Amino acid sequence: QVQLQESGPGLVKPSETLSLTCTVSGVSTDSMRSHYWSWIRQPPGKGLEWIGYFYYGGGTSYIPSLKSRVTILLDTSRNLFSLRLTSVTAADTAVYYCARHDDGYSPFDHWGQGTLVTVSA
Amino acid sequence: DIVMTQSPDSLALSLGEKASINCKSSQSVFYNSNNKNYLAWFQQKPGQPPKLLIHRASTRDSGVPDRFSGSGSETDFTLTISSLQAEDVAVYFCQQYFTTPLTFGQGTRLEIK
Repeated sequence: QVQLQESGPGLVKPSETLSLTCTVSGVSTDSMRSHYWSWIRQPPGKGLEWIGYFYYGGGTSYIPSLKSRVTILLDTSRNLFSLRLTSVTAADTAVYYCARHDDGYSPFDHWGQGTLVTVSA
Repeated sequence: DIVMTQSPDSLALSLGEKASINCKSSQSVFYNSNNKNYLAWFQQKPGQPPKLLIHRASTRDSGVPDRFSGSGSETDFTLTISSLQAEDVAVYFCQQYFTTPLTFGQGTRLEIK
């Protein structure tokens, strides 16, 4: 059974870098390479915003509004993928979810439980 | 970017009533080559991640009760719950996966009256 679990600091200072990891279990290395792996965030009490994805066979795609600050990487040897968001502000406070989809034209079919990251001094 | 707009923002109905939630996309999400609409519906309960209910506008995901159905095409879509149950209290989101950036509707909060 595919499971995703986010991990990382729950508190980040303004102007610093947010770093999260999503550990994927129940999948093979081939599966890690054949699926798309996304990060999505949800500010408290608000809607969902897709941040970007990584696909082993085709690289990355990011939402334009965050493109200059975000990096998503995939480590198939450790079955995980990561999110790095630089120069954070209070507007980046959100629950961050990792999710899987079959390809760039498929819905998110597996999600992590989410992790709250607060940006505050 | 494709903007997804849901209506209403919130809905309060009695148990057993039919619920309808609408989603409108700013451009068509219909893919001519396979006659499919790249539109999904998700259910999110408090403290939980979204759960996929419907994909390709009308295909229920595995294990989703048949009281949930999706309809519509191109730019106008509807999620229908035929007979509201207590466990259906949640926020519902539509999402297009026709093109990046992938975008969601703002959500519709469904409550029991």
